[in-house]
Amino acid sequence: DTGVSQDPRHKITKRGQNVTFRCDPISEHNRLYWYRQTLGQGPEFLTYFQNEAQLEKSRLLSDRFSAERPKGSFSTLEIQRTEQGDSAMYLCASSSMFGDRLYGYTFGSGTRLTVV
Amino acid sequence: GENVEQHPSTLSVQEGDSAVIKCTYSDSASNYFPWYKQELGKRPQLIIDIRSNVGEKKDQRIAVTLNKTAKHFSLHITETQPEDSAVYFCAAKVTNDMRFGAGTRLTVKP
Repeated sequence: DTGVSQDPRHKITKRGQNVTFRCDPISEHNRLYWYRQTLGQGPEFLTYFQNEAQLEKSRLLSDRFSAERPKGSFSTLEIQRTEQGDSAMYLCASSSMFGDRLYGYTFGSGTRLTVV
Repeated sequence: GENVEQHPSTLSVQEGDSAVIKCTYSDSASNYFPWYKQELGKRPQLIIDIRSNVGEKKDQRIAVTLNKTAKHFSLHITETQPEDSAVYFCAAKVTNDMRFGAGTRLTVKP
């Protein structure tokens, strides 16, 4: 296991198209997070999963965004009808959570989305 | 919800000097405070973290201090080197997710 993997690394799409990103977390981690990062800003929380359950969604996650983690392993983030404002780096992270303690919070390399 | 403020937004130091980056948080329930280093085009990498039951933690040239009463924590880098140049993010764990500061761009001039 070499860490958190994200695919693709880069995606250029036309406005109005749908895109889907994939994240493979560290296998022993039970939590998976999605963030969006724009230039010069810190990562902004979008949503997270504990195993296969999506437990929290940010207000940033509009109806055009949907995330799944069907078997509690990899996750997908889909953006429908993309807009230019969706252009950003989409980061995935995973961690273990035991009680209220967080361990091993690790980011993937991200998927850079450009909407033209 | 939790709000994490980070400053300064940019910091330029001479090689060998120390650098200090400060963050404040609003949610007193936050109990875990990591710091990340992000080089251009790369993922954020955890460099040090501190839990709320600890006041200070050191790892070679890097140290983090936490003042729970004042709700602020700081990153200290001593004997800075050009390879320390990057964007640094603080974060605070709030119940189930992490809130990040806006980042500090550190430039270490040789």
